Amino acid sequence: DTAVSQTPKYLVTQMGNDKSIKCEQNLGHDTMYWYKQDSKKFLKIMFSYNNKELIINETVPNRFSPKSPDKAHLNLHINSLELGDSAVYFCASSQDTGGRSPLHFGNGTRLTVT
Amino acid sequence: GIQVEQSPPDLILQEGANSTLRCNFSDSVNNLQWFHQNPWGQLINLFYIPSGTKQNGRLSATTVATERYSLLYISSSQTTDSGVYFCAVDRTGANNLFFGTGTRLTVIP
Repeated sequence: DTAVSQTPKYLVTQMGNDKSIKCEQNLGHDTMYWYKQDSKKFLKIMFSYNNKELIINETVPNRFSPKSPDKAHLNLHINSLELGDSAVYFCASSQDTGGRSPLHFGNGTRLTVT
Repeated sequence: GIQVEQSPPDLILQEGANSTLRCNFSDSVNNLQWFHQNPWGQLINLFYIPSGTKQNGRLSATTVATERYSLLYISSSQTTDSGVYFCAVDRTGANNLFFGTGTRLTVIP
């Protein structure tokens, strides 16, 4: 199936731990993104990468570090997890960065920090 | 920053009814998209519609960019239409979408 897939679907961990979320798209898109959805369902962009290069880096703590080994993958690594990091993290992709193409989301990773 | 307001915040419909969801934005945009988040949390892109009108089955959308609003029409609603509908806009040209707070739709049989 052509899609944006992210793993794991659920992630429960303790404060202070380091964790990673993986994302892969087989749509042949040039740009990938990470979005965060908080408990009130508000969605906010965190990062975008175009062909492995960082394009957008919103105000995100530097404990969050995206890594793009190739244009089909964009992983999110989080250091020293805090309670406030609990949220659903969505990976997404689009054909280009010019704002001329629709955004396609993965199914999300629900992160719970205890 | 740009403001995106969606109305109504909540909507309950009987199956078969029609509805109109509205998205107002505070500045000119070059990108507007509508998404449906189903009860399982999946975000589905419904329309990429910076201007004009598009239709896809029972759904259609119209964006009047000069007046800074977009409308999403749902006709003959079904229970599977339940979920949250988000409008998202961008004016940077980098697909840096800013999301509204959504309209929660519940369709009852």
